[in-house]
Amino acid sequence: QKEVEQNSGPLSVPEGAIASLNCTYSDRGSQSFFWYRQYSGKSPELIMFIYSNGDKEDGRFTAQLNKASQYVSLLIRDSQPSDSATYLCAVNTGYDMRFGAGTRLTVKP
Amino acid sequence: DAEITQSPRHKITETGRQVTLACHQTWNHNNMFWYRQDLGHGLRLIHYSYGVQDTNKGEVSDGYSVSRSNTEDLPLTLESAASSQTSVYFCASSDGLDYSPLHFGNGTRLTVT
Repeated sequence: QKEVEQNSGPLSVPEGAIASLNCTYSDRGSQSFFWYRQYSGKSPELIMFIYSNGDKEDGRFTAQLNKASQYVSLLIRDSQPSDSATYLCAVNTGYDMRFGAGTRLTVKP
Repeated sequence: DAEITQSPRHKITETGRQVTLACHQTWNHNNMFWYRQDLGHGLRLIHYSYGVQDTNKGEVSDGYSVSRSNTEDLPLTLESAASSQTSVYFCASSDGLDYSPLHFGNGTRLTVT
C-alpha cells in the first residue's frame, strides 16, 4: 500500500464549479498535510497546509482533514481555467515529506 | 530574495557515466531533499539531509548518493547512470519545523541514453 494515495484523474469540471480532490495516507503518526499545485513543466508550489482536524479556508480553497479516517481533501470553489494543473497531496511523516502521485484537474471554460 | 537553484536544467548522458546534479539554497534551511518525478509515480524521495554531515536514504535511493558539507548545498550523484534514471529531479528545502512547507527548485531534466 502506498503511503499517500490520490485519484490520478483526470478530473474535469466546468468553469465556476467546485472541484473536489481527495487524498488518503497510511501513517497515523503524520502531523501535517500540504497541497501543492504543479503546472506542466514547472515545479510544485504550495497552495495551503493543514494540521488540525476540520476545515481550513484560504480564498477559493478549502482544505479538510480527518485524522481518524486518515483523509485529506481540497475543495476549489468557483474553479477557473487557470486552476487546470496537477494537484499533489503531501504528508509530513515526522521524518520526511511523502507525496501522492497527484490528481490532474482540467477546468473547462 | 531567498531561492533554491538547480543546475543544470537539462542534461543528457550515456549509460554508465557518473553524473552530479547541483542544488544550492539561500534560505539557510537545515533540511534538504531530492525527489524524482515520473509519470504515474508523482514525487518519490531519493535522499534527504537534516543538516551538515547528515544524509538519509529515501524510498528510491539505489544508484544515488548525496553529501552535505555545508548548509547551502546538497549535490546528487548518480554513480553509474542507467536508463531507468531518466527522470525530472527536484531539489527542495525546508526549515525543519513540522508545519514547514517545502521550497522547490526548478528541476533538472535528466536523460540517460
